[in-house]
Amino acid sequence: GAVVSQHPSRVICKSGTSVKIECRSLDFQATTMFWYRQFPKQSLMLMATSNEGSKATYEQGVEKDKFLINHASLTLSTLTVTSAHPEDSSFYICSARGTSAVGPQETQYFGPGTRLLVL
Amino acid sequence: GQNIDQPTEMTATEGAIVQINCTYQTSGFNGLFWYQQHAGEAPTFLSYNVLDGLEEKGRFSSFLSRSKGYSYLLLKELQMKDSASYLCAALDSNYQLIWGAGTKLIIKP
Repeated sequence: GAVVSQHPSRVICKSGTSVKIECRSLDFQATTMFWYRQFPKQSLMLMATSNEGSKATYEQGVEKDKFLINHASLTLSTLTVTSAHPEDSSFYICSARGTSAVGPQETQYFGPGTRLLVL
Repeated sequence: GQNIDQPTEMTATEGAIVQINCTYQTSGFNGLFWYQQHAGEAPTFLSYNVLDGLEEKGRFSSFLSRSKGYSYLLLKELQMKDSASYLCAALDSNYQLIWGAGTKLIIKP
């Protein structure tokens, strides 16, 4: 139980294009989903928190118009990096928290991550 | 401010025991998590403590002292596959996870 998938696992795109990353909770309902970014050898950085059916809450310094988050259902959240630039290249990881997951209710279960490279 | 402190790197020998310490200062407290993250992969959940004491789960145990703002992760019978970063994270009063920078554990044969 508590499996989270993320797609794609790796994407290479040209500067100026948009990239959409999907995060799905496969065997539980994710009332809250989180999007993180991690640069090499650095700690996780929370970008935003989203609750199903409501607007995402962005962390300070994260541009909401650049990183569009949609959490339309209890099993799916998407992150769209708009007009991507080389400095957006990073490892993007989603996590999900829900009432049906195995383990403590407050546990975040992570997807496998998406490695984005913007040329 | 909110802060999590854990050592940057530790080295241990295969078959031995290692203890990774974590101290936290948060606005309110609703529990402490330990996650394992292998290089290039996402974190995986290891343990959660909200009450004082030791929680044992196979080769891994986690301890919490709320009065001291202190936790540790104990790994026994170390295996080469245990080489990873170990992330300590505290849940604050708003149920937001405050992450430590992680401890890179290097296992030597």
